[in-house]
Amino acid sequence: DSGVTQTPKHLITATGQRVTLRCSPRSGDLSVYWYQQSLDQGLQFLIQYYNGEERAKGNILERFSAQQFPDLHSELNLSSLELGDSALYFCASSLLAGGIFTQYFGPGTRLTVL
Amino acid sequence: GIQVEQSPPDLILQEGANSTLRCNFSDSVNNLQWFHQNPWGQLINLFYIPSGTKQNGRLSATTVATERYSLLYISSSQTTDSGVYFCAVALGGNKLVFGAGTILRVKS
Repeated sequence: DSGVTQTPKHLITATGQRVTLRCSPRSGDLSVYWYQQSLDQGLQFLIQYYNGEERAKGNILERFSAQQFPDLHSELNLSSLELGDSALYFCASSLLAGGIFTQYFGPGTRLTVL
Repeated sequence: GIQVEQSPPDLILQEGANSTLRCNFSDSVNNLQWFHQNPWGQLINLFYIPSGTKQNGRLSATTVATERYSLLYISSSQTTDSGVYFCAVALGGNKLVFGAGTILRVKS
């Protein structure tokens, strides 16, 4: 158990809908990362937050947004969903920002768009 | 951007055998992590090893940063070792760049 929690574990929805994925980092960790794992793209970095502020952005679509709240939990919002958004979405956390810190991954949320 | 290549892409072992997985990366890094993704999809941290050698039970890893590669050794493999092994690196910034993974199947 990494200490990172994600809800829900599974999500099935229809095209055009909007969903919210939730992540709670390990106790004491200030930095949260979101990654997407799909069959065609592999594991890709989406976005990072550090202590409530956006820190880095990767290949995140404009239809996707995220935020980190004062209690440090984070939410990833996916809107106008398409079939191609079906993937495993991981949240990770690290103590501080910066590449030298180990990132610990949550169990993931499996999103299926029908 | 930085490129990460893992080899072999697929590996089938008999239980009890040893194996070596390789990760090559195209630039200097300040973070290198090895993960095991189990059949349920969970990503499990194995090592944080930007340089040097570490051991944890039957697993060990070595990173030679100057030559831009890392090796993951699995000894006396067990069926529970099956899954996908990922190498991921970070250069300066925060995001991890993942390789395509090595699929390991251990047969009993």
